[in-house]
Amino acid sequence: NAGVMQNPRHLVRRRGQEARLRCSPMKGHSHVYWYRQLPEEGLKFMVYLQKENIIDESGMPKERFSAEFPKEGPSILRIQQVVRGDSAAYFCASSPNLNTEAFFGQGTRLTVV
Amino acid sequence: DAKTTQPTSMDCAEGRAANLPCNHSTISGNEYVYWYRQIHSQGPQYIIHGLKNNETNEMASLIITEDRKSSTLILPHATLRDTAVYYCIVRVVNTGTASKLTFGTGTRLQVTL
Repeated sequence: NAGVMQNPRHLVRRRGQEARLRCSPMKGHSHVYWYRQLPEEGLKFMVYLQKENIIDESGMPKERFSAEFPKEGPSILRIQQVVRGDSAAYFCASSPNLNTEAFFGQGTRLTVV
Repeated sequence: DAKTTQPTSMDCAEGRAANLPCNHSTISGNEYVYWYRQIHSQGPQYIIHGLKNNETNEMASLIITEDRKSSTLILPHATLRDTAVYYCIVRVVNTGTASKLTFGTGTRLQVTL
């Protein structure tokens, strides 16, 4: 059973471009969490999704950020019009059931130049 | 979720047991104690979790005090590969609504020769 897969592992975008980060949860997992880790800082919760539904987006910035988890395919974290401050590691985690332990992917490191 | 307090850093000699403490004096009856670790800049790794009984798995042991106000993660034979930031997280479980994992600053464990 493959772990949580995130791609790309590294992503470079120019200011003003869009960034799309993908997360394929572990097989049988229908719950996905996204976290952001700024350089030299801790992990901050962004959003929690269950298939086709956003359950908790209390950590998402109000503008430019969106997330989805369609019925088919990976979860997508989308950042529009990226700015230098968006440079960070973005981690995705998945779990099979409500509130069971979550397993993390290796992250996508976004660099905005 | 209840707040946790952990020492900023600890050292441990290779081969010795590493005992990482965590205080969670405001923990509620329906809150579990979770431990994760993050090795360098990798994705967080689930270690163990428990409610009130001591738990053990292939990675570690979790000792929770009888009043549940503190706990200790024990790595029985630390190796250099256990050098990481260890996070103690208190999380509400089984309420019918999702509960995110809230990461604090953790304990930076340095295992030395």
